[in-house]
Amino acid sequence: GENVEQHPSTLSVQEGDSAVIKCTYSDSASNYFPWYKQELGKGPQLIIDIRSNVGEKKDQRIAVTLNKTAKHFSLHITETQPEDSAVYFCAASFGNEKLTFGTGTRLTIIP
Amino acid sequence: DAGITQSPRYKITETGRQVTLMCHQTWSHSYMFWYRQDLGHGLRLIYYSAAADITDKGEVPDGYVVSRSKTENFPLTLESATRSQTSVYFCASSVEGPDTGELFFGEGSRLTVL
Repeated sequence: GENVEQHPSTLSVQEGDSAVIKCTYSDSASNYFPWYKQELGKGPQLIIDIRSNVGEKKDQRIAVTLNKTAKHFSLHITETQPEDSAVYFCAASFGNEKLTFGTGTRLTIIP
Repeated sequence: DAGITQSPRYKITETGRQVTLMCHQTWSHSYMFWYRQDLGHGLRLIYYSAAADITDKGEVPDGYVVSRSKTENFPLTLESATRSQTSVYFCASSVEGPDTGELFFGEGSRLTVL
């Protein structure tokens, strides 16, 4: 069935360093790949997304890359700051009005 | 701009009791969703609705009932709560389907079933 795997489950980086979170998906027909950030006690919030006709997308310190052949996509955060500490979820659309989420990565920025 | 609100934020109940979690959105978004969040499982879709009076099952619908008589409300009912339904529940809405557009999440309802 539809599956999205996300790694790592936890990640700690020094403030100012880069962080990378990776996801793989099972359905080659998937065409929409959003990333959500969840701060403590809050609901997830969309931070960036990419569609299957694009290989990379950037928004300030955040970028997402997509490799359709390998069926994986990654979130890159550069120059990390304390406010980047949160849980990050990748997701993939398999059509049929549904979105499947990964299991989440808890990112901790060490001052 | 209230956005999307969930109530109650915290609920403790006992096995076998009926519980209803409320969700209200002020944007008139067509789509509304209920997810549950559990450690190691991420966010799993319980039910969703593409419009008033239209609902459909998600990945984990067993033990849950939904209704959507008005566009702005999407209550989730646990007819006979079980311990395995202890979780954090998130309601979300979107203008388009979740496979094409942004989901806007509420702040969650933490349910504990004793």
